[in-house]
Amino acid sequence: KNQVEQSPQSLIILEGKNCTLQCNYTVSPFSNLRWYKQDTGRGPVSLTIMTFSENTKSNGRYTATLDADTKQSSLHITASQLSDSASYICVVSAIGSSASKIIFGSGTRLSIRP
Amino acid sequence: DAGVIQSPRHEVTEMGQEVTLRCKPISGHNSLFWYRQTMMRGLELLIYFNNNVPIDDSGMPEDRFSAKMPNASFSTLKIQPSEPRDSAVYFCASSLNRAFVNTEAFFGQGTRLTVV
Repeated sequence: KNQVEQSPQSLIILEGKNCTLQCNYTVSPFSNLRWYKQDTGRGPVSLTIMTFSENTKSNGRYTATLDADTKQSSLHITASQLSDSASYICVVSAIGSSASKIIFGSGTRLSIRP
Repeated sequence: DAGVIQSPRHEVTEMGQEVTLRCKPISGHNSLFWYRQTMMRGLELLIYFNNNVPIDDSGMPEDRFSAKMPNASFSTLKIQPSEPRDSAVYFCASSLNRAFVNTEAFFGQGTRLTVV
């Protein structure tokens, strides 16, 4: 069964600290993995998209890693800011043309405290 | 471009009433998606259009839900009759779909639906 599991469910850190969010998946055959940031009351916004051949991709203070062998991904946030408070959603797509092959994780709710 | 535009932003309706949610995708995008988000179930895909044609509606929960895309710049999601368990945030997203799974989907702000 295609699944995407994220951990932790929620996380609170102090402003300026680093943190790492985890995503494990069983989606097959794998096509790509995306990390989205969703601010409260807004739609998700894409941070990174990684295909099978990519193992690291950065977007400013956000760095995503992908290990296709162990089927794990992480999102590392460096020098956190208050504006990083949001839900972070891992989305994995299987090869194929059907939109039903896109599997969403349940998200990690990150809170940055001053 | 203003991005994906959804209306209304908030909708409160009584059980049994018809509800229509609207979406204007990004100009030039040819794929449109309707999602539902709840605390319990997270984001769920309801239906996917490509070139105005419904491709995958396996996520539509019941016959009470219907979606249309009469042209490339407009789509509606209708719930009739609405029930309290339909309360959720409904998102519309669009993308330029050549090879679908490798393209980025852009989300609208969502419509928060409350059925009382």
